[in-house]
Amino acid sequence: GAVVSQHPSRVICKSGTSVKIECRSLDFQATTMFWYRQFPKQSLMLMATSNEGSKATYEQGVEKDKFLINHASLTLSTLTVTSAHPEDSSFYICSAKGGGASTQETQYFGPGTRLLVL
Amino acid sequence: GQNIDQPTEMTATEGAIVQINCTYQTSGFNGLFWYQQHAGEAPTFLSYNVLDGLEEKGRFSSFLSRSKGYSYLLLKELQMKDSASYLCAVMDSNYQLIWGAGTKLIIKP
Repeated sequence: GAVVSQHPSRVICKSGTSVKIECRSLDFQATTMFWYRQFPKQSLMLMATSNEGSKATYEQGVEKDKFLINHASLTLSTLTVTSAHPEDSSFYICSAKGGGASTQETQYFGPGTRLLVL
Repeated sequence: GQNIDQPTEMTATEGAIVQINCTYQTSGFNGLFWYQQHAGEAPTFLSYNVLDGLEEKGRFSSFLSRSKGYSYLLLKELQMKDSASYLCAVMDSNYQLIWGAGTKLIIKP
C-alpha cells in the first residue's frame, strides 16, 4: 500500500514553454500532497503544500505564479511550471500523506520527474 | 531556528554494521522519520519514531531519544545495495517536515 505515481518521469522542453507534472496516490486518499525540488547533490527543498480543494501554501521564495499547483481531488495533484527557463531544470518530487500504513503522518514519495529546460 | 544535523558522508564495509546519527532542534516534535534515497531516485520511507526507544525492522533499526534530540539509524549486515543517501526528517509542532541534508553512505566490498 501507499503507492504514489508521478508522470512524466522525464521531460525535456524549450525555454518559455509550460510543463505539467501529475502526482497520484494510487491506493489511498491523500488529503495533503507536497511538492519538492532537488538539485544535484543537494537536499530536498519543499516548494509547496497542497490540501485537497484549497489553495496551495508556498514556501518562502517560491513564486506561486510560476509554479501553479492544483489539488482537485483526493488522489491527484498537479504542478505546472509556467514559462520554464533553464534554471528551472531540476528533479521535482511529489509526496502524499494520509495512507493506511504505519502512520497517517508518513509522507510517501512519487518516483520524481526530471525536468530539463533547453 | 530549526535544524537537523547529520554527517555528510560515511563509508562502511560490506557485511559490517553502520550507525548514522541525527541530532535535531525544532519547534515542537511530532515524530522523526528516516528515508533512503538512491542516486537519481525519490526517497523511500524506512522508519518512524515518535516514542523513545529502538524500533527494529529487519536489518534496519532506528533509535530515538527525545530528551537528547537525538536519533540514529543502524544498518546491519551491510549490502552493496545499501549505498545511498539516508535522510533524517523531523515533524515539528505544525506537522511540517524539517529535512536534514542527508548522509551519503558508501559501501565498500
